[in-house]
Amino acid sequence: DTEVTQTPKHLVMGMTNKKSLKCEQHMGHRAMYWYKQKAKKPPELMFVYSYEKLSINESVPSRFSPECPNSSLLNLHLHALQPEDSALYLCASSQDRAESNQPQHFGDGTRLSIL
Amino acid sequence: AQSVAQPEDQVNVAEGNPLTVKCTYSVSGNPYLFWYVQYPNRGLQFLLKYITGDNLVKGSYGFEAEFNKSQTSFHLKKPSALVSDSALYFCAPQMFSGGYNKLIFGAGTRLAVHP
Repeated sequence: DTEVTQTPKHLVMGMTNKKSLKCEQHMGHRAMYWYKQKAKKPPELMFVYSYEKLSINESVPSRFSPECPNSSLLNLHLHALQPEDSALYLCASSQDRAESNQPQHFGDGTRLSIL
Repeated sequence: AQSVAQPEDQVNVAEGNPLTVKCTYSVSGNPYLFWYVQYPNRGLQFLLKYITGDNLVKGSYGFEAEFNKSQTSFHLKKPSALVSDSALYFCAPQMFSGGYNKLIFGAGTRLAVHP
């Protein structure tokens, strides 16, 4: 079992819909990440939160809106997505953004399909 | 530019035989080195890491990796492959850069272990 929980596991939405992805961890980690992964490719970093504050936005389109309500939760709000946004969205956490000798812990992802 | 090379898209090996998945990197400074594995429809799982000390590090599921500083390589190995080892493997140096823990992923190597 993974220690980072993502819901839903699958999501199909139209281009005009609004939906949210949720990520939860209870390991006391203070850094949380969103990645996008296309099939058979490595994950691409989207956002980094550190101590509940957005610290990195890798030039992600505004149709993706992250939110960190508390130290255990991370959301990704989706609106007006495009077909090319179909991918596996992974959440990860680590103890602290400055502790580079510690691994990131990944959830199993949400597989998103845009119709 | 920072880069990680996994020269083989796919590695095929018979069950019971030894396996090697290659990784070389070109990253400034002294990054910490990680291997992650991704099983179908799952997120990334941490396998092992090199921080300092002995060049041979042991990890989960009987995997080990050999660090070579002069060749900037970190090859993943296992003495006896199992069919259940079939998955996608990512080599990923990590460093604190730009204010966050940055994982620099290789393209990934698909390991296929045949009975």
